[in-house]
Amino acid sequence: GAVVSQHPSRVICKSGTSVKIECRSLDFQATTMFWYRQFPKQSLMLMATSNEGSKATYEQGVEKDKFLINHASLTLSTLTVTSAHPEDSSFYICSVQGQETQYFGPGTRLLVL
Amino acid sequence: KQEVTQIPAALSVPEGENLVLNCSFTDSAIYNLQWFRQDPGKGLTSLLLIQSSQREQTSGRLNASLDKSSGRSTLYIAASQPGDSATYLCAGLAEKLVFGKGTKLTVNP
Repeated sequence: GAVVSQHPSRVICKSGTSVKIECRSLDFQATTMFWYRQFPKQSLMLMATSNEGSKATYEQGVEKDKFLINHASLTLSTLTVTSAHPEDSSFYICSVQGQETQYFGPGTRLLVL
Repeated sequence: KQEVTQIPAALSVPEGENLVLNCSFTDSAIYNLQWFRQDPGKGLTSLLLIQSSQREQTSGRLNASLDKSSGRSTLYIAASQPGDSATYLCAGLAEKLVFGKGTKLTVNP
């Protein structure tokens, strides 16, 4: 299956700052990538679907101006949390759409103070 | 709207025991059902994928079944080991992948 990496693995930032998370598909050309968020003891929730070269599709309730997604190449998608607040603290996981399944990255733990 | 429920939320068993994790889903119009493993603070590892036309899949000590008509799937783990300790997630794929909250498994030596 595809190997997916995320950077950083962990980030702490001050409230009001912006944070960028990278998701890379190391050995697979990813036309479609996904961004999920997981709060403690909750299920993974899809935030948005990222298609290479086009605008991301956001799930209901996810603010597209707050969570900026860029998928400019077949190997890289980025998620920028703008003006982060403590309630944005969560575990963010990306995935790459393969032939039959999605391949997940190791996740990024975001803590907003 | 698809909802996925997993029971129990947590399970603690002694090493060597066989166990069953349960998953139920509300919308039977799924393309497939997957089971994942998540270690603390880590991403997901795919364990088994069952297509909607299939009834079960096996990999080593793991066996997953799917009953679309009743909206249920089970993950059977044989001869559990401490290394099996993790959170197990099931997810149904329809328009999107919808996850349950997971079952946290602890296998005690």
